[in-house]
Amino acid sequence: EIVLTQSPGTLSLSPGERATLSCRASQSVSSNYLAWYQQKPGQAPRLLIYGASSRAPGIADRFSGGGSGTDFTLTISRLEPEDFAMYYCQQYASSPRTFGQGTKLEIK
Amino acid sequence: EVQLVESGGGLVQPGGSLRLSCAGSGFTFSTYWLSWVRQAPGKGLEWVANINQYGSEIYYVDSVKGRFTISRDNAKNSLYMQMNSLRVDDTAVYYCARDFGSGSYKYWGQGTLVTVSS
Repeated sequence: EIVLTQSPGTLSLSPGERATLSCRASQSVSSNYLAWYQQKPGQAPRLLIYGASSRAPGIADRFSGGGSGTDFTLTISRLEPEDFAMYYCQQYASSPRTFGQGTKLEIK
Repeated sequence: EVQLVESGGGLVQPGGSLRLSCAGSGFTFSTYWLSWVRQAPGKGLEWVANINQYGSEIYYVDSVKGRFTISRDNAKNSLYMQMNSLRVDDTAVYYCARDFGSGSYKYWGQGTLVTVSS
């Protein structure tokens, strides 16, 4: 089983700032099958990034993903008020398709 | 428009059983892998199980193996999860999700709450 560790647990930033979220895998994620999701309270997760760096349809270009192998990042270039939420990474290279424990992005 | 609608959640005692359903519409149901993902109250996302288009390839997270059974009926555009020997730590919102491309999840249901409590 691939274990995903996200850091930091909580990130406190202000609107307009840049956010960088990290996801580290316990073993290499083949084919960069790594996704990022945003979740707000009471809502289902929303896919932001798949294949480590491809934006899902309809996702703003301020969201970008990068990395390969065991180290991945999600970057939000300029935070908008609606971006403050929970963020999860997920690997789908092998079953079980594990999620990271999440990063809470909160307003400073 | 792709839609996934879960049903079947509720309150059940420890050791009891429950069957969740997920109805899909707006896409060719029989051509996609489908999954169940759960989220305990105030906790993160946990992948539970998935099933291929034909029902011939199935995977589970270790914590539910031998207790949960995922299945599908392509004629009814429906996904199921039979949950037996339920435990308090199975309490969660259960989402069904459809594969997008190679296995990420763009499409999710609204979730159904399962509460295991005496």
